[in-house]
Amino acid sequence: GIQVEQSPPDLILQEGANSTLRCNFSDSVNNLQWFHQNPWGQLINLFYIPSGTKQNGRLSATTVATERYSLLYISSSQTTDSGVYFCAVNYGGSQGNLIFGKGTKLSVKP
Amino acid sequence: NAGVTQTPKFRVLKTGQSMTLLCAQDMNHEYMYWYRQDPGMGLRLIHYSVGEGTTAKGEVPDGYNVSRLKKQNFLLGLESAAPSQTSVYFCASSYSPEVSNFGDGTRLSIL
Repeated sequence: GIQVEQSPPDLILQEGANSTLRCNFSDSVNNLQWFHQNPWGQLINLFYIPSGTKQNGRLSATTVATERYSLLYISSSQTTDSGVYFCAVNYGGSQGNLIFGKGTKLSVKP
Repeated sequence: NAGVTQTPKFRVLKTGQSMTLLCAQDMNHEYMYWYRQDPGMGLRLIHYSVGEGTTAKGEVPDGYNVSRLKKQNFLLGLESAAPSQTSVYFCASSYSPEVSNFGDGTRLSIL
């Protein structure tokens, strides 16, 4: 089956710093999403981005489908950005059955 | 507007016991999903539904059953709980294959 690899596995930043999280996938996909799981365990959908670039405030994401990777950019990080960021892909059918990566754990220090 | 509500939030079971987790959504979404999350892992899909009366297997369906008798509810059943099913269970719903709304999770421990 498809492999989803995220890097780095852990990242520690000072508040105000910028960061880039990467998601590589081993096959063509028709759906790619980024999620944030906060320290309380809640999951928030950040982006639906099978290709191209999107921005939402300090966060932006780019997916290069032909090269099988996606990047999540966090600018001017805040302590509330802490948590785990997951990339998830769907490569077969259209029912949204996503395959998740293992995540990048981000800690933003004040 | 509650979004996606999972019941219960915590539960401890003994091996062999049965239980049902309830997921309710008030957004009239067609798609509903059950995932499990184990320590240090991403979510893995157990079962999903693309509409009332339909269900399908996901990545890790063994040991679980589901039902979607009403559009707003998606039930996950454990017939004979095993310690390997200790996990955090998340329900999600969406109006399209883009998964958009998650519940807060159910933390389940099997002793």
